[in-house]
Amino acid sequence: GAGVSQTPSNKVTEKGKYVELRCDPISGHTALYWYRQSLGQGPEFLIYFQGTGAADDSGLPNDRFFAVRPEGSVSTLKIQRTERGDSAVYLCASSQGQMNTEAFFGQGTRLTVV
Amino acid sequence: KQEVTQIPAALSVPEGENLVLNCSFTDSAIYNLQWFRQDPGKGLTSLLLIQSSQREQTSGRLNASLDKSSGRSTLYIAASQPGDSATYLCAVNTGNQFYFGTGTSLTVIP
Repeated sequence: GAGVSQTPSNKVTEKGKYVELRCDPISGHTALYWYRQSLGQGPEFLIYFQGTGAADDSGLPNDRFFAVRPEGSVSTLKIQRTERGDSAVYLCASSQGQMNTEAFFGQGTRLTVV
Repeated sequence: KQEVTQIPAALSVPEGENLVLNCSFTDSAIYNLQWFRQDPGKGLTSLLLIQSSQREQTSGRLNASLDKSSGRSTLYIAASQPGDSATYLCAVNTGNQFYFGTGTSLTVIP
């Protein structure tokens, strides 16, 4: 596609519910990143995929968060038993996969847990 | 752990002025540094990418410099316009992830 696409753009969920956030990277990009951004802060790293595998998941805050990329393209970030503190904008980025290539971000999914 | 700092946190200038945004990082072991623009409620738009071996990159009215050994980068915006108003973020790439600063919020007054 023309750019990184994230769906939904907004998600409101009740505390304790399960949510899935989707990211469609730029076609051909092997590297995919998930970030979380709170108001007034810079994005914080969650997880990095190279192809189908999670090369670095050190940013996932706890075991309620999980992400998959089964075919090396689309990725889904899954959050179980959501808490109000999970409310943030979740950003996805992709790059061609080399260490020195440019990263492109999607528009983000604004998650609100009520 | 890599830490990225951006100064100033906010900046307000009259239209037409040239300005400089600063970014510093604590660990010089980076692959590249990228500058982004973020409009309110939006995602990040890539402005410039500087490889670790480069000293500067230019795109239109934007010029970014990198001094890896001292852990500093600057983004120079020439002849600022109201449409430049946004938050500017720098990010350093350490291989598996990008570390971001908290950004500089720029307002260009017509």
